[in-house]
Amino acid sequence: DGGITQSPKYLFRKEGQNVTLSCEQNLNHDAMYWYRQDPGQGLRLIYYSQIVNDFQKGDIAEGYSVSREKKESFPLTVTSAQKNPTAFYLCASSTRTGQGNTEAFFGQGTRLTVV
Amino acid sequence: GENVEQHPSTLSVQEGDSAVIKCTYSDSASNYFPWYKQELGKRPQLIIDIRSNVGEKKDQRIAVTLNKTAKHFSLHITETQPEDSAVYFCAASRSGNTPLVFGKGTRLSVIA
Repeated sequence: DGGITQSPKYLFRKEGQNVTLSCEQNLNHDAMYWYRQDPGQGLRLIYYSQIVNDFQKGDIAEGYSVSREKKESFPLTVTSAQKNPTAFYLCASSTRTGQGNTEAFFGQGTRLTVV
Repeated sequence: GENVEQHPSTLSVQEGDSAVIKCTYSDSASNYFPWYKQELGKRPQLIIDIRSNVGEKKDQRIAVTLNKTAKHFSLHITETQPEDSAVYFCAASRSGNTPLVFGKGTRLSVIA
């Protein structure tokens, strides 16, 4: 059963801690993305990776880090430098055909709360 | 970079009426325009998409229109039902696995 899986579903972080959000896909997609969702703000791009061992900053990369050591995995670390990390985090993946970009598939999301 | 504006931010319609959500984009090189539906606490899911070589696309009660010259595209839902209530996002991207840029969303409420 193909898909994209995020874990955990809920995560609580104390001030000053780093936390890592997991994202795994078995769709054989080249590209993976991390978005942050806040009420009324839509989905804002944090980081993306178009190929293994390469990634680029999105619009709101400060305070976050990523790695792409395997095609299937794209973990996101929320560092203590991120001043307002409480949000809903969505991972997505997509592929490319001869017609261009295709649908981005989303994971079920991780809700991060700072306590 | 690309900027996508979406209107309205909230929309209430009576069951059976039509709903229209409009988006504009800034990058003339964008050529892929999907629409996502997100129910409360769930992941966004694609409901329809359109490419720049097509002006209109329909799928049952849902249609999308694209005006490349004016750089805007719209989602049309006919015969709305209570289960259509959700947040809808438009997005745009260029070719080459470039990231989708999303609008801020429209919260649609269908009143029975």
